[in-house]
Amino acid sequence: GAVVSQHPSWVICKSGTSVKIECRSLDFQATTMFWYRQFPKQSLMLMATSNEGSKATYEQGVEKDKFLINHASLTLSTLTVTSAHPEDSSFYICSASPGPLMNTEAFFGQGTRLTVV
Amino acid sequence: KQEVTQIPAALSVPEGENLVLNCSFTDSAIYNLQWFRQDPGKGLTSLLLIQSSQREQTSGRLNASLDKSSGRSTLYIAASQPGDSATYLCAVRTDGLTFGKGTHLIIQP
Repeated sequence: GAVVSQHPSWVICKSGTSVKIECRSLDFQATTMFWYRQFPKQSLMLMATSNEGSKATYEQGVEKDKFLINHASLTLSTLTVTSAHPEDSSFYICSASPGPLMNTEAFFGQGTRLTVV
Repeated sequence: KQEVTQIPAALSVPEGENLVLNCSFTDSAIYNLQWFRQDPGKGLTSLLLIQSSQREQTSGRLNASLDKSSGRSTLYIAASQPGDSATYLCAVRTDGLTFGKGTHLIIQP
């Protein structure tokens, strides 16, 4: 299947700093990528939809000024957690599909474990 | 609003057993349904994708069925192995993917 690569796999940062997470589609182009957040023993919650060349679409309750998304190319989307606080500590996962969303499998990155201290 | 429920939340069985994981969803207007596997601290691995027009898909020891009208899907695992231990997630595609909370599966050697 298609490969989605996420980096870093884990990161520890100090409260108040910013952290950037990268999501790359390695063998296909993706006009749309998705960012999810997962709390322990919980399901994945969609945070935002990243659209190449345009603004991201955020789910209700997700602060767009805190979670900055940039989708500058067809193979790369980035999520920047700005002014991170301990409550932002979580597992973040990105997803992309190599074709029309309604017909194609979704492939996920390896996830990024963010710990804010 | 689409809601996805997975039953059971956890399951522990001896190696070799056949087992069934259940997934139900409230809005039948879906494009497709996908089953994933997640190992602890890892991302998601796609197992099977069933389009809304399909009834089932098979991959090796895995078979997934879909009854869209009743809002149900099952994942059948044959001859379970310890390596099958993981959390299994069901997700339905409408505008985005809506996930269930998963079934935490342990296969005892």
